[in-house]
Amino acid sequence: QVQLVQSGADVKEPGASVKVSCTASGYTFTSHGINWVRQATGQGLEWMGWMNPNTGETMSAPKFQGRVTMSRRTSISTAYMELSGLRSDDTAVYYCARWDGTSCDFDYWGQGTLVTVSS
Amino acid sequence: EIVLTQSPGTLSLSPGERATLSCRASQSISRTYLAWYQHKPGQAPRVLMYGASNRATGIPDRFSGSGSGTDFTLTISTLEPEDFAVYYCQQFHSPSRLITFGQGTRLDIK
Repeated sequence: QVQLVQSGADVKEPGASVKVSCTASGYTFTSHGINWVRQATGQGLEWMGWMNPNTGETMSAPKFQGRVTMSRRTSISTAYMELSGLRSDDTAVYYCARWDGTSCDFDYWGQGTLVTVSS
Repeated sequence: EIVLTQSPGTLSLSPGERATLSCRASQSISRTYLAWYQHKPGQAPRVLMYGASNRATGIPDRFSGSGSGTDFTLTISTLEPEDFAVYYCQQFHSPSRLITFGQGTRLDIK
């Protein structure tokens, strides 16, 4: 069965960077886009960006351009999202989600990774 | 960037009642690219509807979606206890390849 397993919770100081991983199994990693979505404390879902695991092409939401870097290691079916210049309002649960290009939705999600930004 | 506005912000209903959730887009979008998700605390979101009116795998038929252009609706015909959650609409804008979510509707038990 399809699974996306994310790295564990992390605590970072303001100004630092965080890198979250998302390891896929149960399907061909390069066949579906991987997206990153976050939910800040008390807020709704917020799309951050998308990566094509086959080509490495990425696209980020305007709000995150210049601060988010998405990458992958196809040999281990793992996608990464790195967010730099962390602020307290970046404290959130970060999800990876698989894009289904046929139904145009996020059909499988990782379990979420809590990133806490605090001094 | 297309903005999705959901209403109401909070909906308080009882099990057995009917829920109607609205999602309005700032400009016309293709039905193909409108999806709905259910999100419960401590869990990952789950897709309910895609293409505005197609139920995702395993979604019970009490959930239905409709709409076109700028106005879309998610209806839950008869609320079950497990349906109380936050619901989000989401759109994909093909020309820009940008994705946005609505701010969510919280469905609470009355």
